[in-house]
Amino acid sequence: GALVYQYPRRTICKSGTSMRMECQAVGFQATSVAWYRQSPQKTFELIALSTVNSAIKYEQNFTQEKFPISHPNLSFSSMTVLNAYLEDRGLYLCGARKSNTEVFFGKGTRLTVV
Amino acid sequence: QQQVRQSPQSLTVWEGETAILNCSYENSAFDYFPWYQQFPGEGPALLISILSVSDKKEDGRFTIFFNKREKKLSLHIADSQPGDSATYFCAASGNNAGAKLTFGGGTRLTVRP
Repeated sequence: GALVYQYPRRTICKSGTSMRMECQAVGFQATSVAWYRQSPQKTFELIALSTVNSAIKYEQNFTQEKFPISHPNLSFSSMTVLNAYLEDRGLYLCGARKSNTEVFFGKGTRLTVV
Repeated sequence: QQQVRQSPQSLTVWEGETAILNCSYENSAFDYFPWYQQFPGEGPALLISILSVSDKKEDGRFTIFFNKREKKLSLHIADSQPGDSATYFCAASGNNAGAKLTFGGGTRLTVRP
């Protein structure tokens, strides 16, 4: 079956430092990967969308300078949160699209900033 | 502007009853509608999905009813079990959207034994 593996599951970083999170599609090749942040209130914010053979597209309020993403192949993506502050905390989710429809999510990386 | 809306925000049913979760959308370009189930501390898990060319999709105890004209859909969970207690998200995407989904605000379902 299709699985998306995210690492680490949770991380704590000091305010102003950076942390990197990874996303691996297992059992399929992801034609597109999207990074989301889920707030404590459960709302989803799309950070950026990465599609094969296209530039990574960032949503409003999110920039490459703050959330650089690497998507070197169809199975792997990583994102870094640079200079993390309190407002960056949340559950970071990677969604990987299999074929033309289904999007599978990992369990997420929970970021706590202290 | 919230493009995908869900109601109710929370729902409590007794074990064995059918839970009905509602979703509506605004963007006519949306043609794919997945429902995700999320337990506390976990990522959203794909439960069932439907394309706009269909008006019904069944998978075991889970059924989606879709009304394209009214831009509404609903998830019916038959014979609800306490293990179904979770937050359910309706999402939508359009053609060529890649992994980009627009999510509703979620419905928190509690199934009482």
